[in-house]
Amino acid sequence: GIQVEQSPPDLILQEGANSTLRCNFSDSVNNLQWFHQNPWGQLINLFYIPSGTKQNGRLSATTVATERYSLLYISSSQTTDSGVYFCAVGNTGTASKLTFGTGTRLQVTL
Amino acid sequence: GEEVAQTPKHLVRGEGQKAKLYCAPIKGHSYVFWYQQVLKNEFKFLISFQNENVFDETGMPKERFSAKCLPNSPCSLEIQATKLEDSAVYFCASSQSGAGYNEQFFGPGTRLTVL
Repeated sequence: GIQVEQSPPDLILQEGANSTLRCNFSDSVNNLQWFHQNPWGQLINLFYIPSGTKQNGRLSATTVATERYSLLYISSSQTTDSGVYFCAVGNTGTASKLTFGTGTRLQVTL
Repeated sequence: GEEVAQTPKHLVRGEGQKAKLYCAPIKGHSYVFWYQQVLKNEFKFLISFQNENVFDETGMPKERFSAKCLPNSPCSLEIQATKLEDSAVYFCASSQSGAGYNEQFFGPGTRLTVL
């Protein structure tokens, strides 16, 4: 099956700093999603981005499908950004199951 | 509804007991997915449905686990004779049908603790 790797595994930032999270995948995909799992365990959809670039406030994401990677940018980080960020991909057509990476744990300190 | 609903939020079972989890997808979504999150960072796909029909069951354990989506009822995931290793958070997700509508939306999860 498809392999998904995320880096870095852990990240500690001071409030206000910027960061880039990376997701590499081993095959072509027709679905790629970024999630934030907050400290209460809730999975929040950030982006649906099988290709291209999207922005939502302080967050943006880019997927380069031909090179099999996606990047999530967080600018001016806030303590509420803390949690685990997951990349998940699907590659078996419509309604493909998602294969998750192991996540990047982000801690934003004051 | 506008969100995926899951009940109960928490479920505690003794080893060997049955556990049943429920999921109501977003109204108008044709696909329902079940995932298991173990050890905080590891997600495993279990099964998906297209309306009432099993769509993909490649992740479903052959023994003890079963799932259904019946018309006009919440979908359910049932574990017979739970084991300690079944302790996990079980997430349900739903998506629309059709090409290009692949985004999956997740419910809040059900935390199952097997003692």
